[in-house]
Amino acid sequence: DQQVKQNSPSLSVQEGRISILNCDYTNSMFDYFLWYKKYPAEGPTFLISISSIKDKNEDGRFTVFLNKSAKHLSLHIVPSQPGDSAVYFCAASALGNTGKLIFGQGTTLQVKP
Amino acid sequence: NAGVTQTPKFQVLKTGQSMTLQCAQDMNHEYMSWYRQDPGMGLRLIHYSVGAGITDQGEVPNGYNVSRSTTEDFPLRLLSAAPSQTSVYFCASSSWGELFFGEGSRLTVL
Repeated sequence: DQQVKQNSPSLSVQEGRISILNCDYTNSMFDYFLWYKKYPAEGPTFLISISSIKDKNEDGRFTVFLNKSAKHLSLHIVPSQPGDSAVYFCAASALGNTGKLIFGQGTTLQVKP
Repeated sequence: NAGVTQTPKFQVLKTGQSMTLQCAQDMNHEYMSWYRQDPGMGLRLIHYSVGAGITDQGEVPNGYNVSRSTTEDFPLRLLSAAPSQTSVYFCASSSWGELFFGEGSRLTVL
């Protein structure tokens, strides 16, 4: 039973345009959500997070939106750059236990020059 | 700054062999975790620990053992390797908020 789902395996956008990556979850106990970025042959690196008490969090070109009623979150990258090409994972945890992050399957983003 | 260090980076095993993947962190983090990454499956949690002496199972614990005798170290043991355990393994640590990951260990079981 996949508790965190990323239904789009891949996404391709043009440089300068917006990239929107989506994530759905099923466990209503999740209260903290994170996005990670992963390049080949490297470990995932933290990108941005959001607590369930918020519906939006921004950090530079990256914005995460949370819709608790729909159990859906999205990551917006504006403007997209070729260096953003990577695999993006969303993750969720419950009750602040970040040792027990549950990840989605990942979305491979390709930003074309 | 070392962060999270995993060894070995690459390993080839034969079916039935045992081995230990080592993980060490120097950030004094309470939480440590082991994940495996497989194509189309994302990162799946194997075992995690909320402090020295405390461990618990994740999503895919079968075939793996862990222990946490110190804050710094969290080794992952494969008791009898199977081809289904061919994967890339990531160790991670955190105190609050984000997990910090190691660079990964690629394991092939023949």
